[in-house]
Amino acid sequence: NAGVTQTPKFQVLKTGQSMTLQCAQDMNHNSMYWYRQDPGMGLRLIYYSASEGTTDKGEVPNGYNVSRLNKREFSLRLESAAPSQTSVYFCASRAPGQGKHGYTFGSGTRLTVV
Amino acid sequence: QQPVQSPQAVILREGEDAVINCSSSKALYSVHWYRQKHGEAPVFLMILLKGGEQKGHDKISASFNEKKQQSSLYLTASQLSYSGTYFCGTDPNDYKLSFGAGTTVTVRA
Repeated sequence: NAGVTQTPKFQVLKTGQSMTLQCAQDMNHNSMYWYRQDPGMGLRLIYYSASEGTTDKGEVPNGYNVSRLNKREFSLRLESAAPSQTSVYFCASRAPGQGKHGYTFGSGTRLTVV
Repeated sequence: QQPVQSPQAVILREGEDAVINCSSSKALYSVHWYRQKHGEAPVFLMILLKGGEQKGHDKISASFNEKKQQSSLYLTASQLSYSGTYFCGTDPNDYKLSFGAGTTVTVRA
């Protein structure tokens, strides 16, 4: 039972490079989320997908794009990486049912932009 | 808008109690609590719905006062395993959570 799987675990990019962070869940969850975590700021929502085929912006979407490829997969793309995007990125998923379930998080991707 | 957590950090000896508070400027449907160990992913502890309910998880319990838009997490008779950073997550509709900045709990023997 893998839960939420994120790849890669670590990545170093040069300013201006692009990359895609991958996330997949095997729990048949409808909702998926991307958060970034910076010291002292908690987790901030970048984008989310309430169901397959839909995506919406969160609190800090600038500089990112997402794709909900199917029910299992939700990817996050940085088109032109900037040092301000150095962070730990967490993907999460959640089963349907308002007020019933918490989020299951992946193990995170630690991204450094130099 | 992110909820506000207090205190930012607390240091305990094994067996001591602590309270972590979470407040929001918005009306809330629910409050989530998570714990994150260093270098790991956050782990879901519990969800509380409006109605003033309380919940427990081992010796960790929580309350939710929707009129005051506040929730409190209670660590009772703390154990070494309780160390970590605790986050509350809130949303007016329990749809997409905003998280507080976290409270770091250190339990010492």
